[in-house]
Amino acid sequence: GQSLEQPSEVTAVEGAIVQINCTYQTSGFYGLSWYQQHDGGAPTFLSYNALDGLEETGRFSSFLSRSDSYGYLLLQELQMKDSASYFCAVLGDSWGKFQFGAGTQVVVTP
Amino acid sequence: GAGVSQSPSNKVTEKGKDVELRCDPISGHTALYWYRQRLGQGLEFLIYFQGNSAPDKSGLPSDRFSAERTGESVSTLTIQRTQQEDSAVYLCASSSNRDRAYEQYFGPGTRLTVT
Repeated sequence: GQSLEQPSEVTAVEGAIVQINCTYQTSGFYGLSWYQQHDGGAPTFLSYNALDGLEETGRFSSFLSRSDSYGYLLLQELQMKDSASYFCAVLGDSWGKFQFGAGTQVVVTP
Repeated sequence: GAGVSQSPSNKVTEKGKDVELRCDPISGHTALYWYRQRLGQGLEFLIYFQGNSAPDKSGLPSDRFSAERTGESVSTLTIQRTQQEDSAVYLCASSSNRDRAYEQYFGPGTRLTVT
């Protein structure tokens, strides 16, 4: 079957570093995206990895290992505004068709 | 230009009634997507429109669900004979073209409650 696994919740203090892991099992694979969603808000795009390695965008970085069917999102210098849900999403079955994980709730405390 | 817009923002309907949800994508975006998000869960893919190609309807959960798109603009998602399990937030997204399907811009969603 097809599945994406990510932790349900992570708690960390301001200024810390958080890593959100995502393992996937899909019939095909084009790439892995990450989205952020604040409570009651719309998901917003953070990053995309189609090839193995690390992509860095400001305080956020995303990593992919296709051989391990694994990726992670790294949030550095955590700020209160980073409290949100983070979803990994695989473009797998067919181009344009995302499969989303259940999301990781990140709670940032003072 | 403006972002993705959806209407209505909230819809309460009685079981068995039909509902129509509307999405206006970002101007110039050729790809449009519909998702369903149940409370505390991830997004479920419903349907994908790309230009004038036949849509990918593989995510529609039953034949009560249908969607149309007029050219490369407005889309409507119709749910017939609504059931309580249809209660969810319905999100629409668009991307600039087929190549950038991985970068989707989402609307605020329509919260559907079936009583």
